[in-house]
Amino acid sequence: QVRLVESGGGVVQPGKSLRLSCAAPGFTFSNYGMHWVRQTPGRGLEWVAVIWSDGRNKYYTDSVKGRFTISRDNSKNTLFLQMNGLRDEDTAIYYCAGSTTTWYTSFDYWGQGTLVTVSS
Amino acid sequence: QSALTQPASVSGSPGQSITISCTGTSSDVGGYNFVSWYQQRPGKAPKLMIYAVSNRPSGVSNRFSGSKSGNTASLTISGLQAEDEADYYCSSYTGGSIVYVFGTGTKVTVL
Repeated sequence: QVRLVESGGGVVQPGKSLRLSCAAPGFTFSNYGMHWVRQTPGRGLEWVAVIWSDGRNKYYTDSVKGRFTISRDNSKNTLFLQMNGLRDEDTAIYYCAGSTTTWYTSFDYWGQGTLVTVSS
Repeated sequence: QSALTQPASVSGSPGQSITISCTGTSSDVGGYNFVSWYQQRPGKAPKLMIYAVSNRPSGVSNRFSGSKSGNTASLTISGLQAEDEADYYCSSYTGGSIVYVFGTGTKVTVL
């Protein structure tokens, strides 16, 4: 049973930073490409970033490039999302999701999500 | 890269079949066989139902099936059941700067 547990969400002022974590206990984390996906009532699901299983390749959606950084520690089965320069429009539930399909083109397993609220 | 277009809502009676469409472009849905579908119940995380257009993960009912024609992918739910009531999202690989894109979402109601 694959289990993903996000943490680190909260309320933060515009322009500030937040670091999300996603723990993956009990499965072969290093075999999975890992994504961050966010969801808002108004914009639905939005892919944010992906990191290859070995950490070598990382890709981001345009709106977060230069502000967010995805990383992973395979020795600790943990995924991270460093979010800098937060904006109102970054307010969302953030999910981590794991994938083993070709080019990580499906989101096979999801965490329960962590809420990020950007507000002054 | 715009979101893929889905109908806002689809409904059906128990036992019927319904189909949800997901329309993109030749740069996403039409260009790759990497369309996937997700079921999301209220307050829960999405769940993978179909990957690579028509493949079902282990444990997903065979009442769910996927297909694609041109720039439009489809999810069909046959033998509709009350437990199928949820939001459904499609997703596609794009190969562009925004590597993956989701659909706008469809609310399925079982009458």
